[in-house]
Amino acid sequence: DVKVTQSSRYLVKRTGEKVFLECVQDMDHENMFWYRQDPGLGLRLIYFSYDVKMKEKGDIPEGYSVSREKKERFSLILESASTNQTSMYLCASSTTGAGAGNTQYFGPGTRLTVL
Amino acid sequence: GDSVTQMEGPVTLSEEAFLTINCTYTATGYPSLFWYVQYPGEGLQLLLKATKADDKGSNKGFEATYRKETTSFHLEKGSVQVSDSAVYFCALSDWGSQGNLIFGKGTKLSVKP
Repeated sequence: DVKVTQSSRYLVKRTGEKVFLECVQDMDHENMFWYRQDPGLGLRLIYFSYDVKMKEKGDIPEGYSVSREKKERFSLILESASTNQTSMYLCASSTTGAGAGNTQYFGPGTRLTVL
Repeated sequence: GDSVTQMEGPVTLSEEAFLTINCTYTATGYPSLFWYVQYPGEGLQLLLKATKADDKGSNKGFEATYRKETTSFHLEKGSVQVSDSAVYFCALSDWGSQGNLIFGKGTKLSVKP
């Protein structure tokens, strides 16, 4: 079974702190994604990566950065956390090649609260 | 741009009732279509998918048919159970998008015994 793990299920941080969210997948997938999930807004793509050291902006990249130094690990970084970044963060991975039909596999999510 | 519209929730049903959650899409290309489910406290998991017109995806008693003529992918189940209570997301992935998914806003389903 594909497994996507995220470093924390719950996280509480203070405004202005630097926050790291880690995601690891064990299926040798090329593509990895970070989303945030908010009530009434569904899932919105923050960043994605289709190879090591590659990254692409999604729909809402402002206030976030990412790092992908190894194929299995994709980190989301909040340089200076703000209260409007309080949200559920979901990581996903998928293989490449077949294009649109590839399934994304999700981690359990990190619920981040910024005070 | 591409988009997905699904019926607003919440939806509350009694056990063994028939379920339909409507989903329509707009896409410039020829997308693949997905239904994901999120159980309380968990991440999303794929429920079913269809990659071409007239394909029917099915899993755990749920079905959805890819209708290109009506740009729809409605989710149905003949007899829901309490354990089906979850949030359901319709999504599409278009060719050339590198597998990126565009999600609807989700529909929360509650099934009462």
